Amino acid sequence: SQTIHQWPATLVQPVGSPLSLECTVEGTSNPNLYWYRQAAGRGLQLLFYSVGIGQISSEVPQNLSASRPQDRQFILSSKKLLLSDSGFYLCAWSGSSGRAAGELFFGEGSRLTVL
Amino acid sequence: AQSVAQPEDQVNVAEGNPLTVKCTYSVSGNPYLFWYVQYPNRGLQFLLKYITGDNLVKGSYGFEAEFNKSQTSFHLKKPSALVSDSALYFCAVRDLRNFNKFYFGSGTKLNVKP
Repeated sequence: SQTIHQWPATLVQPVGSPLSLECTVEGTSNPNLYWYRQAAGRGLQLLFYSVGIGQISSEVPQNLSASRPQDRQFILSSKKLLLSDSGFYLCAWSGSSGRAAGELFFGEGSRLTVL
Repeated sequence: AQSVAQPEDQVNVAEGNPLTVKCTYSVSGNPYLFWYVQYPNRGLQFLLKYITGDNLVKGSYGFEAEFNKSQTSFHLKKPSALVSDSALYFCAVRDLRNFNKFYFGSGTKLNVKP
């Protein structure tokens, strides 16, 4: 069966420090991968998605970047964190575009607090 | 553009009573619709989906959803609510023109009181 792992679960970082959140998927190949941010426990904002290694689409211009160095690995990064980067970050995967009916599967999330 | 709307910020229901969480959609063509549940500080869990076929879709934990094309709705229902159903519920649509994108509603907080 497929599983998705996301870490760290909780992170407290000072303003201006770098960030690296990592996500890996097991039990499937060539997944679509996504990073969402959830602010104030509510709506989900799609930040990045990837259909393959090295292929990243950005939905919202901001202080963050994403990379996909391996098929089942997705990394969210920042060189210098802002206070506004605080939030709950969720990684997710779905079947590739050939399997149109597939749903999203989410990781357990990473709570980032920027002080 | 594909979108879903959840008109209720919060729904309160007594344990044992039926519950409904509303969702309306706006899509081009046939919609691919989903419901998710989120418990505090956790990721979203998939409940059910509508792709095609029967308008009444059954999912996890006794939940079901009714697809209504004429009203462009996909309401989540459960015949008898449990206190443990209290959580945040999200409706979502998958963009048919771009299978890579999922759009989520703003979420509805369900409170089930004993």
